[in-house]
Amino acid sequence: DQQVKQNSPSLSVQEGRISILNCDYTNSMFDYFLWYKKYPAEGPTFLISISSIKDKNEDGRFTVFLNKSAKHLSLHIVPSQPGDSAVYFCAARAYMNYGGSQGNLIFGKGTKLSVKP
Amino acid sequence: SQTIHQWPATLVQPVGSPLSLECTVEGTSNPNLYWYRQAAGRGLQLLFYSVGIGQISSEVPQNLSASRPQDRQFILSSKKLLLSDSGFYLCAWSRGGGRTDTQYFGPGTRLTVL
Repeated sequence: DQQVKQNSPSLSVQEGRISILNCDYTNSMFDYFLWYKKYPAEGPTFLISISSIKDKNEDGRFTVFLNKSAKHLSLHIVPSQPGDSAVYFCAARAYMNYGGSQGNLIFGKGTKLSVKP
Repeated sequence: SQTIHQWPATLVQPVGSPLSLECTVEGTSNPNLYWYRQAAGRGLQLLFYSVGIGQISSEVPQNLSASRPQDRQFILSSKKLLLSDSGFYLCAWSRGGGRTDTQYFGPGTRLTVL
């Protein structure tokens, strides 16, 4: 059962245009969402996150939008640059606090973004 | 600032051989630590996590094990590797204790089992 889905395995965008990466989730208990960027043979790098109390968070060229009623979030990159070419992972977490543990991140399978010069 | 190290960077091992991957974190204390695996063409699968020394939680049954002998050291082991253990292994850390806890990943280890 895939709780976090990235239905587009790949996306190709022209340099300077907007890249929109999508992510859907099924667990209504998720309250924190993150986007990571990953280059080949490297660990994922944290990009941006959003709490469920917000519907938008912006950091430079990156903006994440959250639509809780649709259980959907998206990452917008404007303008796209060739260095943005990487695999982008969406992740979600349901905060739990019992016995000292907390909910862990659930990752999507990733979307490979190619930004063409 | 905090940094996370993993070694080795790449490893080729025969089936049935043992495995030991190490992860260390600098610049923080009492972090939560995590082991993930990324198999070819797939997402990140959480294998183990630890909220403190000697405290290990397993997410997926398998022939791997994890240990945390020191506060900032996390080790992934196997007594006998299987072909299916091939993949990209990632260690991550987080501060823990909050709703907006964010995980930060190490550079990873590429394991090939032949």
